[in-house]
Amino acid sequence: RKEVEQDPGPFNVPEGATVAFNCTYSNSASQSFFWYRQDCRKEPKLLMSVYSSGNEDGRFTAQLNRASQYISLLIRDSKLSDSATYLCVVNAEKLTFGTGTRLTIIP
Amino acid sequence: DTGVSQDPRHKITKRGQNVTFRCDPISEHNRLYWYRQTLGQGPEFLTYFQNEAQLEKSRLLSDRFSAERPKGSFSTLEIQRTEQGDSAMYLCASSFVWGESYNEQFFGPGTRLTVL
Repeated sequence: RKEVEQDPGPFNVPEGATVAFNCTYSNSASQSFFWYRQDCRKEPKLLMSVYSSGNEDGRFTAQLNRASQYISLLIRDSKLSDSATYLCVVNAEKLTFGTGTRLTIIP
Repeated sequence: DTGVSQDPRHKITKRGQNVTFRCDPISEHNRLYWYRQTLGQGPEFLTYFQNEAQLEKSRLLSDRFSAERPKGSFSTLEIQRTEQGDSAMYLCASSFVWGESYNEQFFGPGTRLTVL
């Protein structure tokens, strides 16, 4: 079993729609959780950290369920510029990445 | 530009040749990480340094791979006797870590290696 599992997609979503990604992790000792965004042929960039109480940053909402070892990312009112691969990342000293979920926003 | 830089950006080599990549981290960052990413996969951890000390190496890092950070600043990753399976994007990241705090890892643009 992979340490971090994500649905690779692709998700093709019309502009303005809401889209949600899920991720599960296997290491119960994991301490920090993140969503990174990676554009085609570019390096990953931190989108947001994920806190136990859930957190929101503009149109983006992240949730963590430690009991189920599950992380989610919700994007509301999606924009064309949201098209990218979204990587679920878990940290227990080093970063462990999921395979990423590819999102394409359709005009 | 004060971000993480990597050189070269692209490298094409023949199987069996040695290659060396360089990473220059953000200047005040004490940690430096190397990752490898293949098409359709997320980055996979290879190794990391705290200052000049190499603290962890992945099982992915075979004996053909060696990394150094001699003065705690830039780092090099060398691959000896390259194989076609080494073809990937090699990403470097840096961060500043103090105590138990987590600080964001900033990634460089990567070096894309193609082994023919």
